[in-house]
Amino acid sequence: DIQMTQSPSTLSASVGDRVTITCRASQSIGDSLAWYQQKPGKAPTLLIYKTSSLESGSPSRFSASGYGTEFTLTISSLQPDDFATYYCQQFKGYWNFGPGTKVDVK
Amino acid sequence: QLQLQESGPGLVKSSETLSLTCTVSGGSISRYYWNWVRQSPGKGLEWIGNIYYSGDTMYSPSLESRVTISVDRSKNQFSLRLTSVTSADAGVYYCATSPFFGVVSIWGQGTTITVSS
Repeated sequence: DIQMTQSPSTLSASVGDRVTITCRASQSIGDSLAWYQQKPGKAPTLLIYKTSSLESGSPSRFSASGYGTEFTLTISSLQPDDFATYYCQQFKGYWNFGPGTKVDVK
Repeated sequence: QLQLQESGPGLVKSSETLSLTCTVSGGSISRYYWNWVRQSPGKGLEWIGNIYYSGDTMYSPSLESRVTISVDRSKNQFSLRLTSVTSADAGVYYCATSPFFGVVSIWGQGTTITVSS
């Protein structure tokens, strides 16, 4: 099975900060990675698919990159609506999610 | 615009079988992948499995022995059956769809399942 890790588990930041979250796979998954945002009590929403493609409706301050085993999600300038938990998800083999990164207020 | 709505018992007794249904509106279930994802209280997301509109299924290895996902095209619904539940199976269960393999782009609001002893 492919295991996913994320770092950091919690990230404290301020509005306007540039924020980067890292996701790693236990084996190469190519570009078979997506990113989701989840706010408390709500279903997740898709942000990025196929490693770097921005989902329609997602703000352009979100970007992502990577290939193989290491991936990053970047928020160029953190906005109040961005405080949430972010999950990566691989779909090379059986699908599974990373453990999540919570972005909270510094 | 596709919309998904989960329905289920809310409370299940330990060792019994959990059955959930997802009703799809705004489009046909005869396309795409149809997923179940769950989230234990305060924990992360866990993909349970999915069914392709053709009927092909794929399940998480950790749950495969207890899970069945099926489709009822006549009702535009798909369902989850999880046997021998324990307290570890409590949480919020989401149904969701993937128009493209791997990408879970439309989610239901989720339904909370409690497991009683």
